[in-house]
Amino acid sequence: EVQLVESGGGLVQPGGSLRLSCAASGFTFDNYEMNWVRQAPGKGLEWVSYISSSGSTIYYADSVKGRFTISRDNAKDSLFLQMNSLRADDTAVYYCARMGWFNFDYWGQGTLVTVSS
Amino acid sequence: QTVVTQEPSFSVSPGGTVTLTCGLSSGSVSTGYYTSWYQQTPGQAPRTLIYSTSTRSSGVPDRFSGSILGNKAALTITGAQADDESDYYCALYMAGGTWVFGGGTKVTVL
Repeated sequence: EVQLVESGGGLVQPGGSLRLSCAASGFTFDNYEMNWVRQAPGKGLEWVSYISSSGSTIYYADSVKGRFTISRDNAKDSLFLQMNSLRADDTAVYYCARMGWFNFDYWGQGTLVTVSS
Repeated sequence: QTVVTQEPSFSVSPGGTVTLTCGLSSGSVSTGYYTSWYQQTPGQAPRTLIYSTSTRSSGVPDRFSGSILGNKAALTITGAQADDESDYYCALYMAGGTWVFGGGTKVTVL
């Protein structure tokens, strides 16, 4: 069974940093591209970042470019999101999502990041 | 900046049919956008319904179908059931490897 489990969320002050992790199991992690998608409270989904299976190709949404860094450790079946210079509008549930054929085919349950003083 | 448009809300009667659309603020949605559709109930992660415009994801009932209608992608629910009451999001694959989600449609079954 495919499982994606996010961790690392919490309360952080504006301008602060946080590192999210996503532990993958139930599939061959290094065969799959991965993404981060977020959802602000009461709002819709927003794609945040993509990383290829090898980690060699990375894309970001304009809203996080230059502040967030996606990475992966295929030896540990893990995906990461380093978030710096956090702002109030970064407050959201952050989902780790596996890339299927041009779709996000499996999602974790998400981890809540709250940016507030 | 690309904006993906969806109806904010729809109401459908049990057993009825509803068609949700997914458009672009500028231009037409074609199969080249590989439209996918996701269903989300409160407090839960999204679930994939449709990908590549019209391919149903594994385990999704055949009352859900995807298509291109005019210049938009569409998700049709035929024979709506009470547990179809959810938020529905479309996502478009953009040039440069990025994705954009629509704002979502809240479907009420009553």
